[in-house]
Amino acid sequence: DQQVKQNSPSLSVQEGRISILNCDYTNSMFDYFLWYKKYPAEGPTFLISISSIKDKNEDGRFTVFLNKSAKHLSLHIVPSQPGDSAVYFCAARDMADTGRRALTFGSGTRLQVQP
Amino acid sequence: KAGVTQTPRYLIKTRGQQVTLSCSPISGHRSVSWYQQTPGQGLQFLFEYFSETQRNKGNFPGRFSGRQFSNSRSEMNVSTLELGDSALYLCASSLGVSSDTQYFGPGTRLTVL
Repeated sequence: DQQVKQNSPSLSVQEGRISILNCDYTNSMFDYFLWYKKYPAEGPTFLISISSIKDKNEDGRFTVFLNKSAKHLSLHIVPSQPGDSAVYFCAARDMADTGRRALTFGSGTRLQVQP
Repeated sequence: KAGVTQTPRYLIKTRGQQVTLSCSPISGHRSVSWYQQTPGQGLQFLFEYFSETQRNKGNFPGRFSGRQFSNSRSEMNVSTLELGDSALYLCASSLGVSSDTQYFGPGTRLTVL
């Protein structure tokens, strides 16, 4: 049973427009969420994170929104650039269990930004 | 500061063989986690080491094992390789028990023939 779901395997947007990547989770014990970006033949690169005490976290062109009641988070990229083309992974962790820092990942969404 | 390094980057083995992968964390990081990435299963947690002790283990068979050394470097071993073990093996490091963010290495691409 997938506890973290990214239901859109791919997304294509025009350069300069907004990219919205979505992620849903089922485990109510998750209270810390991260987004990673992955290029081919490289490891995932940390982008941005959010804890459940917040509903929004912004870092430059990247903003993550968390709707805890809906168990849903999204990553907004504005404006999108061709260099943003990559696979984006949503990940979650149960911060209450300090002995368990394993990340549970979604299956990823491939973003293609068209010039 | 150098990032997480993994060696080798690519590896080809045959069924039944064993393999050892190495990971050097970011300087000062004491926690190392291992993940397996396959096209069908995405990124799945293997295990985590902190201060030379395995703190957590994912749902993988006993053929997958690991260890961590006093300098925080970690190795992962897979014995009796199966075709399904072909994957990208990723290592991630973090500062310690209270750390929030894991930083990934480039991975080792293992192909089992």
